[in-house]
Amino acid sequence: SQELEQSPQSLIVQEGKNLTINCTSSKTLYGLYWYKQKYGEGLIFLMMLQKGGEEKSHEKITAKLDEKKQQSSLHITASQPSHAGIYLCGADGNTDKLIFGTGTRLQVFP
Amino acid sequence: DTGVSQNPRHKITKRGQNVTFRCDPISEHNRLYWYRQTLGQGPEFLTYFQNEAQLEKSRLLSDRFSAERPKGSFSTLEIQRTEQGDSAMYLCASSWAGGGNQPQHFGDGTRLSIL
Repeated sequence: SQELEQSPQSLIVQEGKNLTINCTSSKTLYGLYWYKQKYGEGLIFLMMLQKGGEEKSHEKITAKLDEKKQQSSLHITASQPSHAGIYLCGADGNTDKLIFGTGTRLQVFP
Repeated sequence: DTGVSQNPRHKITKRGQNVTFRCDPISEHNRLYWYRQTLGQGPEFLTYFQNEAQLEKSRLLSDRFSAERPKGSFSTLEIQRTEQGDSAMYLCASSWAGGGNQPQHFGDGTRLSIL
């Protein structure tokens, strides 16, 4: 079965700093999804990547899928307190359900 | 555009009681998913529907769990004879199936606490 590993597990950065979160899959990724979750709330969809080498950006967040389609990265530029939360990568592995990593907890301090 | 709605947001019950959760998906979505999330973990797939048909169930879904989507719109998830290990956040998601991969959109979840 497919497994997703996220790193780091936890990240504390000062406001204004850039950061990167990685997601590595044990199998080829057919669809890779990034979500953000605040404590006690649901998941907010950020971006979906499907093609090797694909890159998408939304505001200050950029996500990339590597050429071999087994690793994705999420990069935040000039972090703000509003970026704080848990970032989750999910993969559909060419099935209809999503398998998630364990998440990366991001804290941004002023 | 109304998102995925889940009720109740919180449920506290005694061990052994039955509980039922409701999920109203985004209106034009034909797929509906249930996930379970425990503290510090990512969501785990439980089951999903396309319209009213339940297409897949995880091994996590024991005989005490049952899900329905009778008219292909809202769905209910029932847990009978609740156990301590059922304490978790139950998340519902919906998507449109047809024409390539589409993202799942999640509700705010129902947090279940078993006393």
